[in-house]
Amino acid sequence: DSGVTQTPKHLITATGQRVTLRCSPRSGDLSVYWYQQSLDQGLQFLIQYYNGEERAKGNILERFSAQQFPDLHSELNLSSLELGDSALYFCASSVGFKGAYGYTFGSGTRLTVV
Amino acid sequence: GENVEQHPSTLSVQEGDSAVIKCTYSDSASNYFPWYKQELGKRPQLIIDIRSNVGEKKDQRIAVTLNKTAKHFSLHITETQPEDSAVYFCAATFGGSQGNLIFGKGTKLSVKP
Repeated sequence: DSGVTQTPKHLITATGQRVTLRCSPRSGDLSVYWYQQSLDQGLQFLIQYYNGEERAKGNILERFSAQQFPDLHSELNLSSLELGDSALYFCASSVGFKGAYGYTFGSGTRLTVV
Repeated sequence: GENVEQHPSTLSVQEGDSAVIKCTYSDSASNYFPWYKQELGKRPQLIIDIRSNVGEKKDQRIAVTLNKTAKHFSLHITETQPEDSAVYFCAATFGGSQGNLIFGKGTKLSVKP
């Protein structure tokens, strides 16, 4: 167990729908990062939050949004889902935001859009 | 833009041989270079990392070397074992960002018994 908790582990939904993925960071970590991993693809950085504030954005679609709550858990919202959104979504956490030391991944949420 | 190139995309070796994976990065301000191992269906796990003030780091059978001038770093696995079979990702932080890692596309390593 890495200490980073992601729920649900699996999600199957239809095109056009909206889903929410949840991530609880390791105890003491203030930064949360979201990544998308499609089949045979690497890890695409989506977005980073630090202590409730958005810190960096990567290749995140406008249909996707995220937030980090006062208890530091984070949610990634995916809307108007398309078949191509099917992927593994990982979150990771670290203590700070300057430098990625202690970057630990959760077990991921596998999203299947049908 | 922020980019990490990783080669090769697949690598097959015999058990006991060495394996080398190479990465190049685009931002000269990058200062942290971790390597992650991802087994099928599992989360990426940090196996070794190196910071920009160090040229080489070893941990048992794995080592990482960094050439800041050439902007490339490499993972070396010696005496490979079947359990080393996995996808390996290199990554780098970028100076303009707030610490997020940009990953290479991964190398699928197969170690044949």
